[in-house]
Amino acid sequence: EVQLVESGGGLVKPGGSLRLSCAASGFSFTTYTMTWVRQAPGKGLEWVSTISSSGSYIFYADSVKGRFTISRDNAKKSLYLQMNSLRAEDTAMYYCASEYCTADSCLVWRFDYWGQGTLVTVSS
Amino acid sequence: NFMLTQPHSVSESPGKTVTISCTRNSGSIAANYVQWYQQRPGSVPTTVIYEDNQRPSGVPDRFSGSLDSSSNSASLTISGLKTEDEADYYCQCYDGSDHVFGTGTKVTVL
Repeated sequence: EVQLVESGGGLVKPGGSLRLSCAASGFSFTTYTMTWVRQAPGKGLEWVSTISSSGSYIFYADSVKGRFTISRDNAKKSLYLQMNSLRAEDTAMYYCASEYCTADSCLVWRFDYWGQGTLVTVSS
Repeated sequence: NFMLTQPHSVSESPGKTVTISCTRNSGSIAANYVQWYQQRPGSVPTTVIYEDNQRPSGVPDRFSGSLDSSSNSASLTISGLKTEDEADYYCQCYDGSDHVFGTGTKVTVL
């Protein structure tokens, strides 16, 4: 069974830091491009950051560039998001998601597996 | 980067058809594949359409996708509406580096 399990969320003061983790199992994590997507309470989906399977390619949304760092440890089958200089507007549920892959190819433009999310609340 | 704008909400009766638009504000809608995700309350998103008009296995053929170059938009059509279709729907594109999500549409089945 495929599982993506996020952890590390919580309540943090503005300007603070958090490190989110996403533990993968049930699929070949090392070959998948992974992405963080967030959703503020009652709001829509927002792309945050993407990292290629090897970690060679990394992209960030303008809203988090310079403050967030995505990384992965393929040996541990884990994805991370280091969040610094947090702001109230970063309050959201943070999901990790994979691209869609078949035995022959991967479609980086399509999300497939999603975790259940971890809630980050930035408030004084 | 570009933006994808969707109507805030649509509603219709069971058995009817609804169409949700996703309008791209810059660049051609055909330049990048459009995906559509369904998010039921309290659940994570699932794919209902990928690559403009392809349906994943398990998604009923009541769901269909299309592009309209004249309005520079993509559309998701749900025919034979069922109560289980009540959800938020998001379009999404990938431009080679960034993913862009639409603003989202709440579908209510009356």
